Amino acid sequence: EVQLMESGGGLVQPGGSLRLSCAASGFTFSSYSMNWVRQAPGRGLEWVSYISTSSSTIYYADSVKGRFTISRDNAKNSLYLQMNSLRAEDTAVYYCARVRTSGYMDVWGKGTTVTVSS
Amino acid sequence: EIVLTQSPGTLSLSPGERATLSCRASQSVSSTYLAWYQQKPGQAPRLLIYGASSRATGIPDRFSGSGSGTDFTLTISRLEPEDFAVYYCQQYGSSLWTFGQGTKVEIK
Repeated sequence: EVQLMESGGGLVQPGGSLRLSCAASGFTFSSYSMNWVRQAPGRGLEWVSYISTSSSTIYYADSVKGRFTISRDNAKNSLYLQMNSLRAEDTAVYYCARVRTSGYMDVWGKGTTVTVSS
Repeated sequence: EIVLTQSPGTLSLSPGERATLSCRASQSVSSTYLAWYQQKPGQAPRLLIYGASSRATGIPDRFSGSGSGTDFTLTISRLEPEDFAVYYCQQYGSSLWTFGQGTKVEIK
């Protein structure tokens, strides 16, 4: 079964750091680009970051640029999001998603919740 | 950045009725890069339509997508109880992804 599973969420103080992980299974992880997408409580979906298969191409939303770092380890079938200088507005459920060539996301994890609060 | 505006914000319909959801882009979007998702409370989004009109694997044929340029539509021909949810359009272009704000389809 094709699956993505996020972990690493939790409660962190403003200015703090957190590292999210996304474990992939059931498909050849190294063949697919990946996205992180987040959803603040009661709000819509917001794209966060993209990484290509070989990590050669990386994009970030302006809202996280300079604070978040996306990475992957194809040998471990894992995707990561290092989040630094966290703000209250980063509070959200964070999803990892598999990206197809035309930019649509066909497989999503269940999400991990990040809460930034003092 | 291309902004996607969905309308209406909320659609109140009864099971068996037809639902028509609109997604309007602030500038032209290639149909190749337009997708629709369904999200139910407490769940991750689920891909419904990609390439503006192609149904994803396992999606019933009561869901259909159409449109081009700046105007796209998701149609649910006959609402089933499990279709009441929030629907998002999404586009990819210029190295970033954007979503519409969502349309909630609720039971009337």
